[in-house]
Amino acid sequence: ELKVEQNPLFLSMQEGKNYTIYCNYSTTSDRLYWYRQDPGKSLESLFVLLSNGAVKQEGRLMASLDTKARLSTLHITAAVHDLSATYFCAVDGIDHQGAQKLVFGQGTRLTINP
Amino acid sequence: DAGVIQSPRHEVTEMGQEVTLRCKPISGHNSLFWYRQTMMRGLELLIYFNNNVPIDDSGMPEDRFSAKMPNASFSTLKIQPSEPRDSAVYFCASSLDPLAGGLNEQFFGPGTRLTVL
Repeated sequence: ELKVEQNPLFLSMQEGKNYTIYCNYSTTSDRLYWYRQDPGKSLESLFVLLSNGAVKQEGRLMASLDTKARLSTLHITAAVHDLSATYFCAVDGIDHQGAQKLVFGQGTRLTINP
Repeated sequence: DAGVIQSPRHEVTEMGQEVTLRCKPISGHNSLFWYRQTMMRGLELLIYFNNNVPIDDSGMPEDRFSAKMPNASFSTLKIQPSEPRDSAVYFCASSLDPLAGGLNEQFFGPGTRLTVL
């Protein structure tokens, strides 16, 4: 059964600092997604990573995928307050019933303090 | 494109009443997903359809929940009778699966915030 774990689950950081959110998953997959959710809002797609070594960047966010290690990272550079949100990773894989579906991590609640 | 459309955006009802949530997926997408999100349980997949056919409903909590997709542009999630523990935000998402040339990237609607008193 595919399991997806994020860490940390809660992260409070200062503006201007760098930090990384980790997403580990338990079975082979070549497709991983990162989403952002603002409080009271829906999930917004940030990145789609489709192969080993894939790297995508948008502004101060950069996501990478290592399929051999079954690990994706979301790196935040010089954080600013408006990046405060909950970030989810999701992995495309087979669940315990043999159905293909996206399995989401628990989410990382990021708070960036001025 | 208007994105995934859900209605109503907010619903307040009393225990025992029937609730129907509606979703219009992005045109051309062939997979549709219903999720429920609460603070306690996080984001849960309830059911998903591929080409209008229910593929996996193992996440549906119990018989009080039912979902239909009568055509490619419309789906409903019904709760009958509703209970206070059903209070949550319900999201609909759609995607184009890889067999149809898509990336399986799910696009979420704005959600329906359901409160059952």
